[in-house]
Amino acid sequence: DIQMTQSPYSLSASVGDRVTITCRASQGINSYLAWFQQKPGKAPKSLIYKISSLQSGVPSKFSGSGSGTDFTLTISSLQPEDFATYYCQQYQGYPLTFGQGTKVEIK
Amino acid sequence: EVQLVESGGDLVQPGGSLRLSCAASGFTLSDHYMDWVRQAPGKGLEWVATIRNRDNRYTTEYAASVRGRFTVSTDDSKKSLYLQMNSLNTDDTAVYFCVRAGFDNAWYVGGVWGQGTTVTVSS
Repeated sequence: DIQMTQSPYSLSASVGDRVTITCRASQGINSYLAWFQQKPGKAPKSLIYKISSLQSGVPSKFSGSGSGTDFTLTISSLQPEDFATYYCQQYQGYPLTFGQGTKVEIK
Repeated sequence: EVQLVESGGDLVQPGGSLRLSCAASGFTLSDHYMDWVRQAPGKGLEWVATIRNRDNRYTTEYAASVRGRFTVSTDDSKKSLYLQMNSLNTDDTAVYFCVRAGFDNAWYVGGVWGQGTTVTVSS
C-alpha cells in the first residue's frame, strides 16, 4: 500500500499568512495526487487534482505543486473561511490512501 | 446541478447488516467511477470501495478492512449507488460519504461528495 504522510499535523496561522502543507508518498505516484478541504461537520470539498489542477469554483489562492513523492498545497493569503482540515489523497493505485490531515487553526 | 444524497445510516448491533444508498442527480451514474469513503468519529478519511463505470464493466475495488463483508453496486434505473455492509463491527462506526470521481482527460478522485450518512455499530 502507498502511505501518505502529511506535515505538519496542525498549524496556527494568521489571516493574510501564506500557508504551505506538505504531503509525502511512500513511493512515486506520478501525477495522481488530490487535495481536499474539510470543515467541522461537513463533507470534504475537492480543491485540487492531478497535483496542480484547480477544481472548478475553487479560488486561485489555492495552488498545488510537486512531483514524484513530494507534494505541497499552498494557500497564498489565508482568510477566515480557510480555517479547516486539509487532506491529500493518492489515486495512483488501490487501495486509495489519504494523508492523516493537517488542521489549520487561527493564531 | 450534480448532487449526491446518502441515506440508510443507522444504529446496528455488532454482527448485523446495513445497506447504504446514494441517490445521484444531475449526471449519468453509469458514466462515472464512484467511491465510498468513511470517517470514524474524530479521525481522518478512509477509502472504502470503488465501482468503475459501465465502460469498465462496473468492476470493483475494496479496502482490505471491508473486503468480503461489504459490496458496492449501482442501479442505473434508480440512479442510485449502494453499499451493502455485512458482519459489521465497532470499527465500522463512521460517517459514510458517497463520492463521484471527476474526469479531465483522465479520471481523478473526489470530484463531488455527498453530505454523508452515519453508521453506528454498538450493542
